[in-house]
Amino acid sequence: KQEVTQIPAALSVPEGENLVLNCSFTDSAIYNLQWFRQDPGKGLTSLLLIQSSQREQTSGRLNASLDKSSGRSTLYIAASQPGDSATYLCAPAGWRGANSKLTFGKGITLSVRP
Amino acid sequence: EAGVTQSPTHLIKTRGQQATLRCSPISGHTSVYWYQQALGLGLQFLLWYDEGEERNRGNFPPRFSGRQFPNYSSELNVNALELEDSALYLCASSPRTPTQYFGPGTRLTVL
Repeated sequence: KQEVTQIPAALSVPEGENLVLNCSFTDSAIYNLQWFRQDPGKGLTSLLLIQSSQREQTSGRLNASLDKSSGRSTLYIAASQPGDSATYLCAPAGWRGANSKLTFGKGITLSVRP
Repeated sequence: EAGVTQSPTHLIKTRGQQATLRCSPISGHTSVYWYQQALGLGLQFLLWYDEGEERNRGNFPPRFSGRQFPNYSSELNVNALELEDSALYLCASSPRTPTQYFGPGTRLTVL
């Protein structure tokens, strides 16, 4: 059974800092891993998707890396802004079939202070 | 291209009632997933439908059920509502890969 851990649960930083959000998972037999953003009371916005054969993906100020063998992924946010304040969730996806579902961590709630 | 849509946005029910939540996937997507996000519990996988059939189910009681229609839209039904069913219910759709695209959710409140 896949288990996902995101530590710390909450993070508060001043604007402009570079951040690293960590995610670890127990089952390395994944198809891909997605990072999502969730604003309070809202649905999920997909930020980055890394296929199991990839090491990293970049979108603007965001960079996500994946080390499948060690069960780790990191989301790097450059030059953080107050608008980045949200909860960030990582979710590895199992292979198609009975495991074809996303398993979510509890998320990291980020607050960026102006 | 329209994204995943869910209705209603908010739903208020009382204990013992039934709730029906609806989801329309992105055009061309055949799979629909349902997740529950209850306060303090994180996102929990509920159900997965593909091509009209239930393919996988999370650790939820049988009073959580659903179906997928020929047009790939889906309903989630929750019978005999309990207070702890209050949550944000998220629907996601995918093409024939595990990549999932999420809707805005339905907020269910059970009084």
